[in-house]
Amino acid sequence: QQQVKQSPQSLIVQKGGISIINCAYENTAFDYFPWYQQFPGKGPALLIAIRPDVSEKKEGRFTISFNKSAKQFSLHIMDSQPGDSATYFCAASKSAGGGADGLTFGKGTHLIIQP
Amino acid sequence: DTAVSQTPKYLVTQMGNDKSIKCEQNLGHDTMYWYKQDSKKFLKIMFSYNNKELIINETVPNRFSPKSPDKAHLNLHINSLELGDSAVYFCASRGTGTGVRNEQFFGPGTRLTVL
Repeated sequence: QQQVKQSPQSLIVQKGGISIINCAYENTAFDYFPWYQQFPGKGPALLIAIRPDVSEKKEGRFTISFNKSAKQFSLHIMDSQPGDSATYFCAASKSAGGGADGLTFGKGTHLIIQP
Repeated sequence: DTAVSQTPKYLVTQMGNDKSIKCEQNLGHDTMYWYKQDSKKFLKIMFSYNNKELIINETVPNRFSPKSPDKAHLNLHINSLELGDSAVYFCASRGTGTGVRNEQFFGPGTRLTVL
């Protein structure tokens, strides 16, 4: 049973455009929703995270939108740049940072920003 | 200084062998994790350790065993390696606290290839 579903699997966006990646979760006990960015040959790195008490969180060009009733959250990358080309993972856990259960990840989105 | 380090970076071995992957964090964190990333890039939690106590063990074969000699280290031992164990293994660590920036820091990964 996949607890966090992520789409699309791959995404191509023109430079300067908006990249949007969507995730849906099933476990209502989840209380922490981070997005991780992974470059080839590297470990995942935290991009931005949100708790369910807010509907939106923005850090620079990256924004998380969160819909608690729909159990969905999304990542928006504004003014997408070629350097943003990477694999993006949404994740969820029952406490901030992952807690005792660790992070439950979506299957990832391979993002390509065309110059 | 690398926050979370793993050795080796690459590990190629024969079926049936026993191998270990080492992980060290210099962040003073209390909780460490092991994740497996398969060929489709799906990341899945394997173990977490908090103050030398195993907190969670997902549906991982008992051929895999985490060992923590001290708070800064969490090594992964794998017995009787199988072809299906080929993957990238990531170590991660997390400190205490509840903020959204209480993130998990991931190591660079160890690519295990079983022949």
